[in-house]
Amino acid sequence: DTEVTQTPKHLVMGMTNKKSLKCEQHMGHRAMYWYKQKAKKPPELMFVYSYEKLSINESVPSRFSPECPNSSLLNLHLHALQPEDSALYLCASSPIGQGLWEKLFFGSGTQLSVL
Amino acid sequence: TQLLKQSPQFLSIQEGENLTVYCNSSSVFSSLQWYRQEPGEGPVLLVTVVTGGEVKKLKRLTFQFGDARKDSSLHITAAQPGDTGLYLCAGVQGAQKLVFGQGTRLTINP
Repeated sequence: DTEVTQTPKHLVMGMTNKKSLKCEQHMGHRAMYWYKQKAKKPPELMFVYSYEKLSINESVPSRFSPECPNSSLLNLHLHALQPEDSALYLCASSPIGQGLWEKLFFGSGTQLSVL
Repeated sequence: TQLLKQSPQFLSIQEGENLTVYCNSSSVFSSLQWYRQEPGEGPVLLVTVVTGGEVKKLKRLTFQFGDARKDSSLHITAAQPGDTGLYLCAGVQGAQKLVFGQGTRLTINP
């Protein structure tokens, strides 16, 4: 299994809603990442977990709350988002062999629209 | 400030033509990765280059890492419509983080 599975594929939410994005991988990877990608832009790093611990937070607003319940799962909890948070949210995983950032496997993303 | 600059940003050519995409920086990278992303999907890793001067081939795609490890190129021979997509280079500096270029949007017309 060489897939990173993200659910849901599409999400529309209001500014007062609470929702969660889910990401799952069964490749035994011990690094997992959240990226945000706006239309026609490259992915921007949000969070990195290594060995289930948060190792990098790229100064992301607290309305985004990541969680790594175990080595296969990564969640992103959303609360009180703004319309400008609308984007494609990508999850990725990688083995920590020679370090982070080696061979990232990306999921298909969740296309989020905030109304 | 864009750490990695890709050129061209947009390229539309006919099937069968050759093309080269460039990824340039003033910084040294320990490795450079190339990804292809199709609409509504996540990026897919094509190759990683780690040694200055390294050349890697993936069927009709040839990737080169500059001698000084500051730049890279992707050459596609006899482009096909299936090559259409967003091509992203991404570099790692030390153990800091992976930085993406702004991408090259490639369209191959039948």
